[in-house]
Amino acid sequence: QKEVEQDPGPLSVPEGAIVSLNCTYSNSAFQYFMWYRQYSRKGPELLMYTYSSGNKEDGRFTAQVDKSSKYISLFIRDSQPSDSATYLCAMGGSQGNLIFGKGTKLSVKP
Amino acid sequence: GAGVSQSPSNKVTEKGKDVELRCDPISGHTALYWYRQSLGQGLEFLIYFQGNSAPDKSGLPSDRFSAERTGGSVSTLTIQRTQQEDSAVYLCASSLVGQGGNTIYFGEGSWLTVV
Repeated sequence: QKEVEQDPGPLSVPEGAIVSLNCTYSNSAFQYFMWYRQYSRKGPELLMYTYSSGNKEDGRFTAQVDKSSKYISLFIRDSQPSDSATYLCAMGGSQGNLIFGKGTKLSVKP
Repeated sequence: GAGVSQSPSNKVTEKGKDVELRCDPISGHTALYWYRQSLGQGLEFLIYFQGNSAPDKSGLPSDRFSAERTGGSVSTLTIQRTQQEDSAVYLCASSLVGQGGNTIYFGEGSWLTVV
C-alpha cells in the first residue's frame, strides 16, 4: 500500500459546482496536511495547511482532516474556470520529508 | 529573493551531455529540496539540504545525479551523461527550517528535455 493515495482524475465539473478532492494515507504519524495547486507548466503553490484533525476554511476553500480514518479532503465551493489545475495533497510528521500524492487534475467548464 | 528562483526554465540537451540546474531559495530559508516531476507522475523526492549539508539524498536515482549547496543559499543539481528517461521537470523548493511540518515553497521548475 502506498503511503499516500490520490485519485488522478481527471475531474470535470461545471462552473459553480462544489468540488471534493480527497487523499488517503497509511502512516498514522502524519500530523501536517497540505494542499498545493499546480497550474500547467508552473510550480506547485501552497493552498491550504492544516495540523491534526478538523476543518479549516479560507474563502471558497475548506480543508478537512479525519485522522481516525486517515482521510483528508479539499472542498471548493462555487468553482470557477480559474480553479482548473492539478491539486496535490501533501503530508508529513515531525520527522522526515513531506510525502505528496500524485495529484488530481481538475477542469471547471464555463 | 521574493520567491524560489530556478534556471534555466527550459533546457534541451543531447543524450550523453551533462546539465546543471540552478536554484536560488527564498532568502533566509535554511532548508532546500529538489524534486522531479515526470509527465503525469507525482513529485519524486531527490535530495534535501539543511544548510550546506545533505542529510537525505536517498531519492537520487543514480550516481549520474549529484547536488551541492554553497553558502547556505544557491544549489546546483547536476546530471551527468543524460539519458532520455531524465526528461522531466526538476522542481526546487525551500523552507524556513527543515522537515517536520514546515511549509515548503516551490520554484517554477526547470523543464529538461533530453533528445
